[in-house]
Amino acid sequence: DIQMTQSPSSLSASVGDRVSFTCRASESIHTYVNWYQQKPGKAPRLLIYSASSLQSGVPSRFSGSGSGTVFTLTISSLQLEDFATYYCQQAYSTPRFTFGPGTKVDIK
Amino acid sequence: QAQLVESGGGVVQPGGSLTVSCEASGFRFGSYGMHWVRQAPGKGLEWVAFIRHDGSSPEYADSVKGRFTVSRDNSKNTLSLHMKSLRADDTAVYYCAKEDYELILVYYFDYWGQGTLVTVSS
Repeated sequence: DIQMTQSPSSLSASVGDRVSFTCRASESIHTYVNWYQQKPGKAPRLLIYSASSLQSGVPSRFSGSGSGTVFTLTISSLQLEDFATYYCQQAYSTPRFTFGPGTKVDIK
Repeated sequence: QAQLVESGGGVVQPGGSLTVSCEASGFRFGSYGMHWVRQAPGKGLEWVAFIRHDGSSPEYADSVKGRFTVSRDNSKNTLSLHMKSLRADDTAVYYCAKEDYELILVYYFDYWGQGTLVTVSS
């Protein structure tokens, strides 16, 4: 199975900061990676699919990049509602779409 | 607007069985593959199971293979997960998720239910 790792596991930031975090796959998954946001007690929400495609309705401050084994999610200007946990998901090994362990973003 | 609503969670003893369900609305249910994803308390997301749009080719995570069975009834827009031989480490919120795709190979989960909590405890 393809293993996904994320770094850092958590980070503290302030409103208005530009933040980025990384997802790594154990083998090349081309651009078949998705990103989800999850707030406490809520279901995950799709932000980015296919590494860089913004899901409909998601603010443009979210962007994704990368290919192969290394991927990045960037929030250009952190807003209060962005404090959450972010998960990457590999969508290469269909249909066993495994997730990374998550990066928690909290308020500095 | 697609909507997924899970039900059937509860407390079950170790070794017991439970079936959780997911009722879909707002989209053509029978045209999409469906997944189950779980989240243990305070932990990350774990993919559990998948079933194709027509009910064929179920797939399972190694952690549940042989104990969980995914099924669907397209006439009732319902997805089910039957769980047996439950263990304490199966305790989690169970989410159903709709799979969508573009260009054949680009897959993602675009809609999720609110989740249903399964607690395995004596």
